[in-house]
Amino acid sequence: RKEVEQDPGPFNVPEGATVAFNCTYSNSASQSFFWYRQDCRKEPKLLMSVYSSGNEDGRFTAQLNRASQYISLLIRDSKLSDSATYLCVVYPGGYQKVTFGTGTKLQVIP
Amino acid sequence: NAGVTQTPKFQVLKTGQSMTLQCAQDMNHNSMYWYRQDPGMGLRLIYYSASEGTTDKGEVPNGYNVSRLNKREFSLRLESAAPSQTSVYFCALAGGNQPQHFGDGTRLSIL
Repeated sequence: RKEVEQDPGPFNVPEGATVAFNCTYSNSASQSFFWYRQDCRKEPKLLMSVYSSGNEDGRFTAQLNRASQYISLLIRDSKLSDSATYLCVVYPGGYQKVTFGTGTKLQVIP
Repeated sequence: NAGVTQTPKFQVLKTGQSMTLQCAQDMNHNSMYWYRQDPGMGLRLIYYSASEGTTDKGEVPNGYNVSRLNKREFSLRLESAAPSQTSVYFCALAGGNQPQHFGDGTRLSIL
């Protein structure tokens, strides 16, 4: 089993739609979780951290389910500018390395 | 990107040539990483350094060497470049359980 797994997509959604991505991880002791956004040929940029209690930033909501070992990202009222690849990131803790998922591609259609 | 500086931004090499990609930080983070990303693919970890003076192999270390001589700098060397190493290379850094910060990337083409 891969350390971090994501559905590669692409997810093609109309403007205004709600879309959700999941990401599963294998290390139950993982400590920190993040969602990144990557535009074509650019560096990944932090979108939001994922907290156990769940957190929201405008149209974006992130959730963590430790029992089932997955994190999710919900995007409401999708905009054309949301088109990008979304990467989930898992940090096991200590001096262990961070692991990136391969990304889920989102295309918002006019 | 303030905080993480990668040089060069673009480079074209001939097969068999060598070169070093540089990454420098001013964020005082312990951990530094080198990734490569091929078109349409995810990030693949080449090497990482959890702290000054230590380095560990990632997923795709073959054909690369790294050096972490001080806390600020983490370099990636291609001793004998091959066309399969044509890619975009990203340096990233992190402190503890904080999210990673990425450099702008180096676009490397090997002919």
